[in-house]
This record gives sequence, structure tokens and C-alpha cells, in this order.
Amino acid sequence: QQQVKQSPQSLIVQKGGISIINCAYENTAFDYFPWYQQFPGKGPALLIAIRPDVSEKKEGRFTISFNKSAKQFSLHIMDSQPGDSATYFCAASRSGDMRFGAGTRLTVKP
Amino acid sequence: GAVVSQHPSRVICKSGTSVKIECRSLDFQATTMFWYRQFPKQSLMLMATSNEGSKATYEQGVEKDKFLINHASLTLSTLTVTSAHPEDSSFYICSAKGARSNTEAFFGQGTRLTVV
Repeated sequence: QQQVKQSPQSLIVQKGGISIINCAYENTAFDYFPWYQQFPGKGPALLIAIRPDVSEKKEGRFTISFNKSAKQFSLHIMDSQPGDSATYFCAASRSGDMRFGAGTRLTVKP
Repeated sequence: GAVVSQHPSRVICKSGTSVKIECRSLDFQATTMFWYRQFPKQSLMLMATSNEGSKATYEQGVEKDKFLINHASLTLSTLTVTSAHPEDSSFYICSAKGARSNTEAFFGQGTRLTVV
């Protein structure tokens, strides 16, 4: 069963727009919530991550919002650029055992 | 972040043969390594978790006799796909976690296996 649910499956955004990807999890034992960016043929690369004691984390154009009570978290990409076009995976981890969402294919149109 | 290296990055093998994929932690001791499989346009699915010096724990539905995992040292884990078939063609990715980290694992660059 999928322990982390991710939406949308695909997303098209104009350059300069905001990309928003949402995830929800079931297991309250998860204590680390990373987002990964993956380009075709490459392994996933860590983009940004948050722990459940924080409600928001911002790094440059990327922000994670975390709602512990709702067991939801989201990734916001501000000022989206064509170079951001990739597949994004949310994940939830406990002691390194990481479970991934289904992925969101983001396309940023110039 | 820490560096995890996977080898080979691509491999093509004939049906019925075995293929070994290596996962190395280059600058830290990996007490735990994870192996994932990713089919085209799908997510990463955990196959097994291995702790150094002990037998791997396989996820439900993963054949342990087909996917042999060895974690003999703190810097190396291997995944051997035995008697490979075309349906085993996939992207295999490892991640490694050190003893000091209770959460974060670092990913290798993946291995594209094609069985013909």
C-alpha cells in the first residue's frame, strides 16, 4: 500500500509562476520529510527537507509547508523556471527507511 | 552531503544471466543501505534494507532468492539480479545511511538495467 500520497500527477506552469505539489502520509512515526528532484536517467537529488517540529522551511525559491495535525506537507516553487522541469518526489522517512510518493512531473513553459 | 557511488551506471545483459550492482559510500560508513527499483515513469519502490554484517530485510513481494543483497562492509553493498529476465529491466537505486544520521540517507546515481 502507498504510505505517501502525492498530487498532482503532472503539472504545467508558466515561467515565473508558482508550482505547488502536495503530499499526505499515514504513519505518524515518520520523522523526516524530504523532497527530491529527478531528471531523466538520473538518481533522485535532495532538494529540501523538513522535520515535524517545524511548520515551514524556505530555501531560495523552494518552500516546504508542513501540517502535522493534518499529516500533510507541500512544496512550493516560486518564480518557476524552465530548468525546474523535472519529476518531483515527496518522501517520508523513519531512520532512513524512506517511502516515496508517486511523483509529479513538472513542466515549466517559457 | 555525503557521497554514494553506484556502479555500473548502465548494464545490458542477456536473459538468464546474473548481474551485480555495487553501491559504495565514499566518505562515510554506511551502517544501513537501501535498495530501490524504479520502473519508467513510476516512483521508487523499496526492495530491501540491509544492515552491515546481517541478512537483508526484503519488502513484501520481492523475491530474496532472485535479488541477492550482500552488505559485507561498512562502505559496500551489492545487489545481484540472478537469472535476469526482461521484466527485471528497471532503474535500480541504492541509498546509504550512516550511524550518526537517524533520518537522512544519501542516494547513488542509479543503475539502468536492460535485460535482452
